[in-house]
Amino acid sequence: DAKTTQPPSMDCAEGRAANLPCNHSTISGNEYVYWYRQIHSQGPQYIIHGLKNNETNEMASLIITEDRKSSTLILPHATLRDTAVYYCIVRVHGSSNTGKLIFGQGTTLQVKP
Amino acid sequence: DARVTQTPRHKVTEMGQEVTMRCQPILGHNTVFWYRQTMMQGLELLAYFRNRAPLDDSGMPKDRFSAEMPDATLATLKIQPSEPRDSAVYFCASGLGLAGGSYDTQYFGPGTRLTVL
Repeated sequence: DAKTTQPPSMDCAEGRAANLPCNHSTISGNEYVYWYRQIHSQGPQYIIHGLKNNETNEMASLIITEDRKSSTLILPHATLRDTAVYYCIVRVHGSSNTGKLIFGQGTTLQVKP
Repeated sequence: DARVTQTPRHKVTEMGQEVTMRCQPILGHNTVFWYRQTMMQGLELLAYFRNRAPLDDSGMPKDRFSAEMPDATLATLKIQPSEPRDSAVYFCASGLGLAGGSYDTQYFGPGTRLTVL
Protein backbone atom coordinates (compact mmCIF):
# COMPACT_ATOMS: atom_id res chain seq x y z
CA ASP A 1 0.00 0.00 0.00
CA ALA A 2 1.16 3.53 -0.78
CA LYS A 3 2.80 5.64 1.87
CA THR A 4 1.08 8.80 3.08
CA THR A 5 2.46 12.03 4.51
CA GLN A 6 0.51 14.23 6.90
CA PRO A 7 1.46 17.26 9.00
CA PRO A 8 1.97 16.18 12.62
CA SER A 9 -0.38 18.76 14.09
CA MET A 10 -2.90 21.48 13.24
CA ASP A 11 -5.09 23.92 15.11
CA CYS A 12 -8.56 25.04 14.17
CA ALA A 13 -10.99 27.50 15.73
CA GLU A 14 -14.30 26.10 16.87
CA GLY A 15 -17.00 26.63 14.26
CA ARG A 16 -14.54 27.08 11.43
CA ALA A 17 -13.71 24.55 8.73
CA ALA A 18 -10.81 22.23 9.41
CA ASN A 19 -8.86 21.25 6.30
CA LEU A 20 -6.50 18.32 6.82
CA PRO A 21 -4.08 17.60 3.97
CA CYS A 22 -2.57 14.27 2.97
CA ASN A 23 0.06 13.52 0.36
CA HIS A 24 0.07 10.13 -1.33
CA SER A 25 2.23 10.73 -4.38
CA THR A 26 2.89 7.03 -5.03
CA ILE A 27 -0.75 5.98 -5.00
CA SER A 28 -1.75 3.36 -7.53
CA GLY A 29 -4.80 3.45 -9.74
CA ASN A 30 -6.68 0.86 -7.70
CA GLU A 31 -5.91 2.31 -4.26
CA TYR A 32 -8.58 4.09 -2.28
CA VAL A 33 -8.00 6.95 0.15
CA TYR A 34 -9.44 6.32 3.62
CA TRP A 35 -9.69 8.62 6.61
CA TYR A 36 -10.04 7.45 10.19
CA ARG A 37 -9.78 9.42 13.39
CA GLN A 38 -8.96 8.49 16.96
CA ILE A 39 -10.33 10.50 19.82
CA HIS A 40 -8.31 10.23 23.01
CA SER A 41 -8.68 6.87 24.77
CA GLN A 42 -11.01 5.48 22.10
CA GLY A 43 -10.62 3.13 19.17
CA PRO A 44 -10.19 4.56 15.67
CA GLN A 45 -13.38 5.63 13.91
CA TYR A 46 -14.06 5.50 10.18
CA ILE A 47 -14.80 8.88 8.59
CA ILE A 48 -14.89 8.60 4.82
CA HIS A 49 -13.18 7.07 1.78
CA GLY A 50 -12.92 7.67 -1.95
CA LEU A 51 -11.19 6.64 -5.16
CA LYS A 52 -11.07 9.68 -7.42
CA ASN A 53 -14.31 11.58 -7.06
CA ASN A 54 -14.96 13.95 -4.21
CA GLU A 55 -17.08 12.41 -1.48
CA THR A 56 -19.30 13.83 1.25
CA ASN A 57 -21.10 12.27 4.15
CA GLU A 58 -22.60 13.46 7.42
CA MET A 59 -19.16 13.73 9.05
CA ALA A 60 -16.90 15.24 6.43
CA SER A 61 -15.97 15.89 2.82
CA LEU A 62 -13.05 14.35 0.96
CA ILE A 63 -11.44 16.25 -1.87
CA ILE A 64 -9.02 14.25 -4.05
CA THR A 65 -6.86 16.06 -6.59
CA GLU A 66 -7.21 15.15 -10.24
CA ASP A 67 -3.82 13.41 -10.30
CA ARG A 68 -4.78 11.64 -7.03
CA LYS A 69 -1.42 12.47 -5.48
CA SER A 70 -3.00 14.32 -2.57
CA SER A 71 -6.29 14.77 -0.78
CA THR A 72 -7.91 16.99 1.83
CA LEU A 73 -10.35 16.02 4.54
CA ILE A 74 -12.72 18.85 5.37
CA LEU A 75 -14.68 19.10 8.61
CA PRO A 76 -17.03 21.96 7.68
CA HIS A 77 -17.80 23.26 11.17
CA ALA A 78 -15.30 21.90 13.66
CA THR A 79 -16.37 21.39 17.27
CA LEU A 80 -14.34 20.68 20.37
CA ARG A 81 -15.37 17.02 20.03
CA ASP A 82 -13.50 16.84 16.73
CA THR A 83 -10.18 17.14 18.57
CA ALA A 84 -8.47 13.88 17.63
CA VAL A 85 -5.68 12.26 15.64
CA TYR A 86 -6.69 11.96 11.98
CA TYR A 87 -5.22 9.19 9.87
CA CYS A 88 -5.03 9.17 6.09
CA ILE A 89 -4.59 5.66 4.68
CA VAL A 90 -4.44 4.36 1.14
CA ARG A 91 -5.57 0.84 0.52
CA VAL A 92 -6.26 -1.51 -2.31
CA HIS A 93 -9.68 -3.07 -2.71
CA GLY A 94 -9.91 -6.57 -4.01
CA SER A 95 -6.43 -7.85 -3.26
CA SER A 96 -5.45 -10.67 -0.96
CA ASN A 97 -4.48 -8.04 1.60
CA THR A 98 -7.80 -6.35 1.18
CA GLY A 99 -8.40 -6.05 4.90
CA LYS A 100 -5.21 -4.42 6.04
CA LEU A 101 -5.08 -0.84 7.26
CA ILE A 102 -1.59 0.55 7.76
CA PHE A 103 -1.71 3.54 10.09
CA GLY A 104 0.94 6.26 9.98
CA GLN A 105 1.46 8.90 12.63
CA GLY A 106 -1.53 10.97 11.55
CA THR A 107 -2.34 14.62 12.20
CA THR A 108 -3.31 15.74 15.68
CA LEU A 109 -6.10 18.27 15.23
CA GLN A 110 -6.70 20.59 18.16
CA VAL A 111 -9.97 22.48 17.98
CA LYS A 112 -9.83 25.58 20.16
CA PRO A 113 -12.69 27.60 21.62
CA ASP B 1 -26.41 0.44 17.90
CA ALA B 2 -24.06 -2.44 16.96
CA ARG B 3 -20.60 -2.20 18.48
CA VAL B 4 -17.45 -4.23 18.90
CA THR B 5 -16.96 -5.13 22.55
CA GLN B 6 -13.70 -6.00 24.25
CA THR B 7 -12.93 -7.44 27.65
CA PRO B 8 -11.26 -6.69 29.93
CA ARG B 9 -10.93 -2.92 29.40
CA HIS B 10 -7.90 -2.79 31.68
CA LYS B 11 -5.48 -5.50 32.77
CA VAL B 12 -2.47 -5.26 35.06
CA THR B 13 -0.37 -8.36 35.38
CA GLU B 14 3.11 -9.47 36.30
CA MET B 15 5.78 -10.57 33.89
CA GLY B 16 5.48 -14.23 33.02
CA GLN B 17 1.73 -14.45 33.51
CA GLU B 18 -0.70 -15.48 30.80
CA VAL B 19 -3.03 -12.79 29.46
CA THR B 20 -6.17 -13.43 27.45
CA MET B 21 -8.07 -10.63 25.73
CA ARG B 22 -11.50 -11.17 24.22
CA CYS B 23 -13.42 -9.52 21.45
CA GLN B 24 -17.01 -9.81 20.31
CA PRO B 25 -17.32 -8.60 16.72
CA ILE B 26 -20.41 -6.94 15.32
CA LEU B 27 -23.00 -9.58 14.47
CA GLY B 28 -22.75 -10.50 10.80
CA HIS B 29 -19.21 -9.28 10.30
CA ASN B 30 -16.97 -12.00 8.91
CA THR B 31 -13.56 -10.45 9.47
CA VAL B 32 -11.82 -9.66 12.75
CA PHE B 33 -8.60 -7.70 13.22
CA TRP B 34 -6.24 -7.33 16.17
CA TYR B 35 -4.16 -4.15 16.47
CA ARG B 36 -1.69 -2.97 19.09
CA GLN B 37 -0.99 0.67 19.90
CA THR B 38 2.01 2.08 21.74
CA MET B 39 3.45 5.56 21.92
CA MET B 40 6.60 4.46 20.15
CA GLN B 41 5.14 2.31 17.36
CA GLY B 42 1.67 3.74 16.90
CA LEU B 43 -1.06 1.43 15.63
CA GLU B 44 0.18 -1.90 14.31
CA LEU B 45 -1.81 -4.74 12.79
CA LEU B 46 -1.07 -8.01 14.58
CA ALA B 47 -3.39 -10.48 12.83
CA TYR B 48 -6.71 -10.87 11.15
CA PHE B 49 -9.26 -13.57 10.45
CA ARG B 50 -11.82 -14.08 7.71
CA ASN B 51 -14.70 -16.45 8.39
CA ARG B 52 -12.77 -17.58 11.51
CA ALA B 53 -9.71 -18.64 9.50
CA PRO B 54 -6.43 -16.77 10.02
CA LEU B 55 -5.54 -14.71 6.94
CA ASP B 56 -2.47 -12.87 8.11
CA ASP B 57 -0.62 -13.02 11.40
CA SER B 58 2.71 -11.71 10.16
CA GLY B 59 2.62 -8.78 12.58
CA MET B 60 2.37 -11.00 15.62
CA PRO B 61 5.32 -12.34 17.64
CA LYS B 62 4.78 -16.06 17.15
CA ASP B 63 6.66 -17.30 20.17
CA ARG B 64 4.35 -15.80 22.77
CA PHE B 65 1.24 -14.51 21.00
CA SER B 66 -1.65 -16.54 19.66
CA ALA B 67 -4.96 -15.50 18.16
CA GLU B 68 -8.04 -17.65 17.63
CA MET B 69 -11.72 -17.47 16.78
CA PRO B 70 -13.46 -20.31 18.60
CA ASP B 71 -16.73 -19.22 17.06
CA ALA B 72 -18.16 -16.38 15.00
CA THR B 73 -19.00 -14.32 18.09
CA LEU B 74 -15.67 -14.54 19.89
CA ALA B 75 -12.07 -13.74 19.04
CA THR B 76 -9.25 -14.15 21.53
CA LEU B 77 -5.69 -12.84 21.72
CA LYS B 78 -3.44 -14.60 24.17
CA ILE B 79 0.04 -13.72 25.41
CA GLN B 80 2.01 -16.39 27.23
CA PRO B 81 4.31 -15.54 28.90
CA SER B 82 3.74 -11.79 29.06
CA GLU B 83 6.64 -9.33 29.16
CA PRO B 84 6.82 -5.63 30.10
CA ARG B 85 7.34 -4.70 26.42
CA ASP B 86 3.85 -6.09 25.70
CA SER B 87 2.33 -3.18 27.61
CA ALA B 88 0.06 -1.43 25.12
CA VAL B 89 -3.55 -0.87 24.15
CA TYR B 90 -4.90 -3.77 22.12
CA PHE B 91 -7.76 -3.02 19.75
CA CYS B 92 -10.07 -5.43 18.04
CA ALA B 93 -11.93 -4.38 14.90
CA SER B 94 -14.48 -6.14 12.77
CA GLY B 95 -15.68 -5.66 9.23
CA LEU B 96 -17.47 -7.29 6.36
CA GLY B 97 -15.45 -8.82 3.57
CA LEU B 98 -17.52 -8.61 0.42
CA ALA B 99 -17.72 -10.81 -2.64
CA GLY B 100 -15.01 -10.20 -5.23
CA GLY B 101 -12.46 -9.18 -2.65
CA SER B 102 -13.91 -5.76 -1.97
CA TYR B 103 -14.15 -4.61 1.54
CA ASP B 104 -16.27 -2.69 3.94
CA THR B 105 -15.03 -0.34 6.66
CA GLN B 106 -13.56 -1.53 9.94
CA TYR B 107 -15.26 -0.85 13.23
CA PHE B 108 -13.03 -0.69 16.27
CA GLY B 109 -13.71 -1.68 19.84
CA PRO B 110 -12.73 0.43 22.86
CA GLY B 111 -9.50 -1.47 23.44
CA THR B 112 -7.85 -3.38 26.29
CA ARG B 113 -5.16 -1.44 28.11
CA LEU B 114 -2.53 -3.95 29.21
CA THR B 115 0.18 -3.21 31.73
CA VAL B 116 2.80 -5.85 32.39
CA LEU B 117 4.93 -5.15 35.47
